[in-house]
Amino acid sequence: QKEVEQDPGPLSVPEGAIVSLNCTYSNSAFQYFMWYRQYSRKGPELLMYTYSSGNKEDGRFTAQVDKSSKYISLFIRDSQPSDSATYLCAKRGAGGTSYGKLTFGQGTILTVHP
Amino acid sequence: EAGVAQSPRYKIIEKRQSVAFWCNPISGHATLYWYQQILGQGPKLLIQFQNNGVVDDSQLPKDRFSAERLKGVDSTLKIQPAKLEDSAVYLCASSLYPKAGGEDTQYFGPGTRLTVL
Repeated sequence: QKEVEQDPGPLSVPEGAIVSLNCTYSNSAFQYFMWYRQYSRKGPELLMYTYSSGNKEDGRFTAQVDKSSKYISLFIRDSQPSDSATYLCAKRGAGGTSYGKLTFGQGTILTVHP
Repeated sequence: EAGVAQSPRYKIIEKRQSVAFWCNPISGHATLYWYQQILGQGPKLLIQFQNNGVVDDSQLPKDRFSAERLKGVDSTLKIQPAKLEDSAVYLCASSLYPKAGGEDTQYFGPGTRLTVL
């Protein structure tokens, strides 16, 4: 079983739609979770960073962590064509030599069409 | 603030040849990471440096891959000899330091796209 599982999609939505992206993880020791956005032929860039359970909102983006079900989500409201990218969820190592190490999901390809 | 620089951006080689990638992290960042991203997959950590020391190289295929970070700044990743399955994007990232109990953003470079024929 992979440590972080993510549905690769692809996901295609019309402009203005609410997008829901999801990941599951297998090791409950992790506390830090991230969402990265990767445009074609670019490196990933940090979008959201969450710690522990609950919601975190930043503009049109909301990250949600449910530790009881080991489920992390990213919601995008009022999606725009510029949101078209690959979205990667990741967890950060909890400690020791793995501290700082990111383990990524497969990535979900999102296309928002006008 | 300048970002993470990588070169070359693209490289095409034949199997069994050698290749080297270069990374210049953000100034002042103590930690440097090399990731391998195969098409359709998320990045996978190959090696992590803290200053010029190796913190984690558990997923680095040491029979063919090597990396160094001289003087705790720039880093090079080498593959010798290359195999077909090494075709991927090699991403370099840096962070200020792994900060216990806090956010520590990793900033990624644009990557080097390697094709092994």
